[in-house]
Amino acid sequence: EVQLLESGGGLGQPGGSLRLSCVTSGLTFDSYAMTWVRQAPGKGLEWVSAISGSGGSTYYADSVKGRFTISRDNPKNTLFLQMNSLRANDSAVYYCAKGRSAADPMAVLWGQGTLVTVSS
Amino acid sequence: QSVLTQPPSASGTPGQRVTISCSGSSSNIAINYVYWYQHLPGTAPKLLIYRTNQRPSGVPDRFSGSKSATSASLAISGLRSEDEGDYYCSAWDDNLRGQVFGGGTKLTVL
Repeated sequence: EVQLLESGGGLGQPGGSLRLSCVTSGLTFDSYAMTWVRQAPGKGLEWVSAISGSGGSTYYADSVKGRFTISRDNPKNTLFLQMNSLRANDSAVYYCAKGRSAADPMAVLWGQGTLVTVSS
Repeated sequence: QSVLTQPPSASGTPGQRVTISCSGSSSNIAINYVYWYQHLPGTAPKLLIYRTNQRPSGVPDRFSGSKSATSASLAISGLRSEDEGDYYCSAWDDNLRGQVFGGGTKLTVL
């Protein structure tokens, strides 16, 4: 059974940083692109970033470009999201999701999410 | 403002058929596959439809997807109380180079 487990959420300061992790199991990790999607309180789903299976291709929403960095450690089956220059409107539940293939990051299986709150 | 446009709400009675529409553009729905997700409160979003009209294993055939030009639809037949929740359409956008979502449709089973 494929499992995705996010961690690293919590309270972050405006202008500060947080690093989210997503540990996976039950899949050949480097065979799949991975994606981060967030949901702010009372809002819909918003795609944040994606990375190919090899890590060689990365994609970002305009709202986070230049502030967030997606990466992966394939031997450790783990996906990361480094979040810098945090803003109040980055507050959301962040989900990691498995893509369809190494090159196709469209989300097909989601984790339970981790809550990020940005506030002073 | 979401890139894809969905009605904010939909409703039906048990056993009825309901459809949820999703409107996009030439850079997303027109040229790429459409995905549909179900998001129930307190749970992880779940894939209902991939590649426009394909169902993952375990998803009942009551759920079906289709598209025409820049619009897509999710149909749910034999509506059940457990279908109540939020539904999102999504597609890759070649201009934005990212996955885009609709604003979500809240389905109520009356």
